[in-house]
This record gives sequence, C-alpha cells and structure tokens, in this order.
Amino acid sequence: SQQGEEDPQALSIQEGENATMNCSYKTSINNLQWYRQNSGRGLVHLILIRSNEREKHSGRLRVTLDTSKKSSSLLITASRAADTASYFCATAPNSGGYQKVTFGTGTKLQVIP
Amino acid sequence: DTGVSQNPRHKITKRGQNVTFRCDPISEHNRLYWYRQTLGQGPEFLTYFQNEAQLEKSRLLSDRFSAERPKGSFSTLEIQRTEQGDSAMYLCASSWDPIHTGELFFGEGSRLTVL
Repeated sequence: SQQGEEDPQALSIQEGENATMNCSYKTSINNLQWYRQNSGRGLVHLILIRSNEREKHSGRLRVTLDTSKKSSSLLITASRAADTASYFCATAPNSGGYQKVTFGTGTKLQVIP
Repeated sequence: DTGVSQNPRHKITKRGQNVTFRCDPISEHNRLYWYRQTLGQGPEFLTYFQNEAQLEKSRLLSDRFSAERPKGSFSTLEIQRTEQGDSAMYLCASSWDPIHTGELFFGEGSRLTVL
C-alpha cells in the first residue's frame, strides 16, 4: 500500500520556471524523503527532512514539512530540461527500531526546453 | 564501491516459469529492501532484511515469492510459477541506518515481463 500521495500526478512547465509538488501522508513519521526517478531507472535520493524540521534547502531544492497537516512540498527552482523525471515522497514511520520506508504515488515532471 | 547492483536488468519469461533476481548491496550496508514498481506507480514494499534476518514481508508477497539474504550480503528474490500480473520492475535498495541517515540507495532495477 502507498503511504503518501503526490499532487499533481503530472506537471509540465517551461525551462526556467519553478515546479512545486505536494505530498500528503497518513501516519506519524520520523522523517520524510524525496526521491527522483528517471524513466526506466532506479530511484535517487534528493533530500530528507525530519519531523522536527519545517524547511530544508539543497541547491535548487526546497522542501517544507507540515506535520499538523501531514503534508510536504518540494519546490524545484529555475527548472532545467534535465529535471524531467518522476518525483516520489517517502516516509519512515515514527516508531523505534526498524523503519519501513513507504513511497507515494509520484509526480511526473516534464520540463520543456 | 559502485553502488547497488541488480541482475539481470531485464528478464522475459513465459507464464509458469521460475525466475530469480539478485541484488548486491553496498558492502557496508546492513539493511536491504525489495520493492516492486508497476508502470506509473510508486515503489511498493515487498520485504526487508537487517543483516541476514528477514524482518518484514508484505502481504503482496504470495507463497510464490521468496527472498533470502544468506550471510547478510547479497540477496535473491525468487518468483515461482510466474503469472502475467508479476510483470513489473523489481527494485532493490540498501541502507546503513534509515533512522539517522534515512537515505536508501537503489539499484537500477530488474524488469520482469511475463508472457
């Protein structure tokens, strides 16, 4: 089962514009992560935000987390054609010991040159 | 170290045949995950190993699926009597400590097509 749901399912923008993707999840979390997947390839970790953090930056990426609303957003600024990929949020539950990382349904981003 | 390695990358088989996928994790990683991904969907959790112990197995894994991780190193995922519904990308990931680092390192996946 999927823990998170991304919105929108698909997004098409012009190069240079910003892209915003949202993720909603269901249960209490320890951390939330965003991954990127190019077509037919494995997933690559982008950024992790812990439950006690509200915002985090990495290069052109900005992630926010609102635990009261059980939601997160990923902002990619000044998008490039190479950013074309699917983006997934993933959550690790707030329980001790072993943590199962569960993925959302993904947002497919197309950046038009 | 070259990351997580999965073999074969592609497998086409006839319904009813058995298939086996192999995953070689990053050597110092003690945690290993298998996920299944169908077209347009996110990865769905199948099973998890910490060292050689299989700690959780999804209900998605029917009796036809078995996974092993002997000696806590590489892992194999076997599907017996394949069905067309098994067609998917099978992804392996490894990590050291998802609590403190959180990051999963994925292989390129093994794509299964059942005819």
